[in-house]
Amino acid sequence: GNSVTQMEGPVTLSEEAFLTINCTYTATGYPSLFWYVQYPGEGLQLLLKATKADDKGSNKGFEATYRKETTSFHLEKGSVQVSDSAVYFCALSITPDGEYGNKLVFGAGTILRVKS
Amino acid sequence: DSGVTQTPKHLITATGQRVTLRCSPRSGDLSVYWYQQSLDQGLQFLIQYYNGEERAKGNILERFSAQQFPDLHSELNLSSLELGDSALYFCASSEYGQIQETQYFGPGTRLLVL
Repeated sequence: GNSVTQMEGPVTLSEEAFLTINCTYTATGYPSLFWYVQYPGEGLQLLLKATKADDKGSNKGFEATYRKETTSFHLEKGSVQVSDSAVYFCALSITPDGEYGNKLVFGAGTILRVKS
Repeated sequence: DSGVTQTPKHLITATGQRVTLRCSPRSGDLSVYWYQQSLDQGLQFLIQYYNGEERAKGNILERFSAQQFPDLHSELNLSSLELGDSALYFCASSEYGQIQETQYFGPGTRLLVL
């Protein structure tokens, strides 16, 4: 089946620390991969995406590379800020078997807390 | 602001009741998705519509139904509500419903069943 596994949190870092949130996936076919961020009381916002192997998505200092050989899409940022505190979701987009559309399959989410 | 609107923002109701959640997609988007977010199940895909037609179905209960109207807005109907249906329900939209497209999420409707 299709699934996403991401590291459990919460992850607590000091400001300007390096961030890595691990994400691995299992998928039939060729998924697109996404990182979404959810701030308290809000909906999900796209952080970055990659649609094929070896693509690198980047936005606001965050980066992730689509690694087909290791089925991974780890999120990194060189220097986190307090404003980065949020819940981060790794997701894959795939066409369900026997259907024409697509769906997002999400990981459980990782809470990030950044201290000043 | 993603451009996706959802109403109502909050809904409190009793077991056995029926509610309707409404979603308006971003201007120009033809595809609408519904997701449920709960503490025990996480974010789960419910259903996708494209230009009025159902395209993909996830773990949507038989008590739940949805449709997309000619003006492209969508409604999710939840009936015979149970305590376990309490959750945050998100609508998302994308232009053509393709797997490489970004899905833009609305702010959600928080449903509390008492």
